[in-house]
Amino acid sequence: EAQVTQNPRYLITVTGKKLTVTCSQNMNHEYMSWYRQDPGLGLRQIYYSMNVEVTDKGDVPEGYKVSRKEKRNFPLILESPSPNQTSLYFCASSLGWRGAEQFFGPGTRLTVL
Amino acid sequence: SQQGEEDPQALSIQEGENATMNCSYKTSINNLQWYRQNSGRGLVHLILIRSNEREKHSGRLRVTLDTSKKSSSLLITASRAADTASYFCATDAGSRLTFGEGTQLTVNP
Repeated sequence: EAQVTQNPRYLITVTGKKLTVTCSQNMNHEYMSWYRQDPGLGLRQIYYSMNVEVTDKGDVPEGYKVSRKEKRNFPLILESPSPNQTSLYFCASSLGWRGAEQFFGPGTRLTVL
Repeated sequence: SQQGEEDPQALSIQEGENATMNCSYKTSINNLQWYRQNSGRGLVHLILIRSNEREKHSGRLRVTLDTSKKSSSLLITASRAADTASYFCATDAGSRLTFGEGTQLTVNP
């Protein structure tokens, strides 16, 4: 089944404890991105990647890192999480960029205490 | 602010009625997409309309695009309780897709 998977789905952590949220897609998509969703703010893009080893900042990249060593994986790294990073995170992928349907993962609900 | 902004923020209707949601944006676009999100879940693509198209249909969905007014509308006809969800428009801006804040649609049985 074609899908985007994220792990973990739920995570409660404490300030400063490094964490990684994994994202994997099995559709051979070139484009992948991370979004965060907050009430009243909609979805905001954190980082995106147009292909392996190519990543770029989105609208809200501060406090996050990403890597794209393989086409299928695009992990999101929080080196030192803070409470303002408490949010619902989505990974998405698409075959290309322009005019491409985005396939979203199920989301990761992160709470930073 | 977001490139795409939906209106209204919330809409409540009865089953069988039509639901119309609007999206306005600021800069020129290549295409506009509509997505649906059930509570707390990932977004699901509904329909894409290109900048040279004015109207598009998919099942009970009808999307219009007016590039001169920089606006789009999503019409859901004969709504069902299962249509209850948040609906987002998304526009491409450079190499990024920008989402609006969404319209929360509630369809009452």
